[in-house]
Amino acid sequence: EAQLVESGGGLMQPGGSLRLSCAASGFTFSSYDMHWVRQATGKGLEWVSAIGTAGDTYYSGSVKGRVTISRENGKNLLLLQMNGLRVGDTAVYYCVRESQGDAFDIWGQGTVVTVSS
Amino acid sequence: DIQMTQSPSSLSASVGDRVTITCRASQSIITYLNWYQQKPGKVPKLLIYAASSLVSGVPSRFSGSGSGTYFTLTISSLQPEDFASYFCQQSYSRPPYTFGQGTKLEIK
Repeated sequence: EAQLVESGGGLMQPGGSLRLSCAASGFTFSSYDMHWVRQATGKGLEWVSAIGTAGDTYYSGSVKGRVTISRENGKNLLLLQMNGLRVGDTAVYYCVRESQGDAFDIWGQGTVVTVSS
Repeated sequence: DIQMTQSPSSLSASVGDRVTITCRASQSIITYLNWYQQKPGKVPKLLIYAASSLVSGVPSRFSGSGSGTYFTLTISSLQPEDFASYFCQQSYSRPPYTFGQGTKLEIK
């Protein structure tokens, strides 16, 4: 069964840095585009970043320049390095697999990032 | 960027009702439209992809239609477990992979 498990969230001060990890299992990780999607409490879903199978990377305007997505295919790991954290980055961060049909078919349980002074 | 607008933002309905949620794109996305369901405190779940293709295991009371800029998600006969939030998402022009703002379906 395909599964994604995130870790690395926590309480951070504005301006701080954080690295989120996502461990994938049950599928051929290297064959899929992967994403990070976040959701602030009581709000909608916001796409954050994506990485293709070839290592091509994409970012939303709200995080571009502050966030770096990467993958380690040999370890089935998806990573998100977040720098210059802002209060507005406070959210649950989901690791997500993009299916062959261009939809987000597998979601992790999420990791909570709180940015507060 | 393509903007996705859902309506209504919230909806009250009763068990057995037929409900329809709409999603409009700011430009044509052909049929690159996906629907997700999220129950309180839970992870989003893919229901429908490519506008009208039902994910395996999703009850047949759910259906999606539309193309271009106008799409609908219909639940033919609401069940208690269907009360949740629903989000549309375009996968035509990416990035960004834009989501609609969501529709909260509540029990009347």
